[in-house]
Amino acid sequence: NAGVMQNPRHLVRRRGQEARLRCSPMKGHSHVYWYRQLPEEGLKFMVYLQKENIIDESGMPKERFSAEFPKEGPSILRIQQVVRGDSAAYFCASSPPGQRNNEQFFGPGTRLTVL
Amino acid sequence: GESVGLHLPTLSVQEGDNSIINCAYSNSASDYFIWYKQESGKGPQFIIDIRSNMDKRQGQRVTVLLNKTVKHLSLQIAATQPGDSAVYFCAESWGKFQFGAGTQVVVTP
Repeated sequence: NAGVMQNPRHLVRRRGQEARLRCSPMKGHSHVYWYRQLPEEGLKFMVYLQKENIIDESGMPKERFSAEFPKEGPSILRIQQVVRGDSAAYFCASSPPGQRNNEQFFGPGTRLTVL
Repeated sequence: GESVGLHLPTLSVQEGDNSIINCAYSNSASDYFIWYKQESGKGPQFIIDIRSNMDKRQGQRVTVLLNKTVKHLSLQIAATQPGDSAVYFCAESWGKFQFGAGTQVVVTP
């Protein structure tokens, strides 16, 4: 049973370009969470999705950031017109159906560098 | 203990000794707690969890203690090994997860 998959593992973008980060949850998991982590800081919640629905996006910047979790395929975190401050590690986690208070399993992360 | 900011607190432990990592959580409504381990360049890895109806839970070489009165969580690692060197952070949940900044554990020979 494969764990949470994220790709790419490393992504380099120039200012103004778009970044697309992908997350495939564990088999059987229908809840996906995206987090952002700056060096020597904790995980900051961004968005919580279930299939085809955004449940909680209270941690996501209102502009330039969007997320989706389509019926088929991975969840996508999209950052438009990236700026240097977007450089960080972005982690995806998934959990099984049911209540939100379930253990979250994390992927290896995507490290975004904006030049 | 944990702090929010640019510099993680560091716990230096000699190999074979026991480690105790502390976490102060913020929401009295939190009813689920997890400890994660994060090695450099990797994603967080689940260590142990505890629900608010318990005050202690044991795993393999790890024990989590929960004190709801003072909103305090601790992780004890028995016989610390070099492979335990990592950042450890706690997470609390009241339906929404919130993570602490973490404690860097350095195991010395």
